[in-house]
Amino acid sequence: DAKTTQPPSMDCAEGRAANLPCNHSTISGNEYVYWYRQIHSQGPQYIIHGLKNNETNEMASLIITEDRKSSTLILPHATLRDTAVYYCIVRVTGTYKYIFGTGTRLKVLA
Amino acid sequence: NAGVTQTPKFQVLKTGQSMTLQCAQDMNHEYMSWYRQDPGMGLRLIHYSVGAGITDQGEVPNGYNVSRSTTEDFPLRLLSAAPSQTSVYFCASSYSRPGGRATDTQYFGPGTRLTVL
Repeated sequence: DAKTTQPPSMDCAEGRAANLPCNHSTISGNEYVYWYRQIHSQGPQYIIHGLKNNETNEMASLIITEDRKSSTLILPHATLRDTAVYYCIVRVTGTYKYIFGTGTRLKVLA
Repeated sequence: NAGVTQTPKFQVLKTGQSMTLQCAQDMNHEYMSWYRQDPGMGLRLIHYSVGAGITDQGEVPNGYNVSRSTTEDFPLRLLSAAPSQTSVYFCASSYSRPGGRATDTQYFGPGTRLTVL
């Protein structure tokens, strides 16, 4: 099964860049990597996704390694409101399932 | 668009009772799914549907039933509630079924907080 591995927690100073890593070594060639975040107990919120190339939107940037076995979500100027659990997910190969792991709990410090 | 809506927001059940958690979306999304989230844990997939009339099991399907008679609605039924089903339940939908495409982005509802005594 496709699986992602993330560090359980990270701290980041307000105004600095937050770099959240994710390993997805079993990802298939045409699978996207998705990032979501969950603030408090709200429903997860989509952030960004990518296939091969680096991607950027108004929320974040996504860097995917050339071998596609890992990626990094970058929040360029973290604010206190970015404190959340961040999930990196990929599709389980051969199925219609996305499996969420336990994510990375990011705490942005004032 | 209202997006993904879930009712009720909160529910308390006694062991053995049954109930249905409602989920609806107005985006004409093909794919819908149910997750549960226990305290301090990530989301676990219960059941999912790739279209009207088609459902399948996720990671933790035991004790739950689903049906998909329309594109818009995807109710989750607890057959005989147990304390182990105390959790927050999230419904999600996406334009297309997971298949490595950009349109797989899932939109989540606000959740239903269920307590089983």
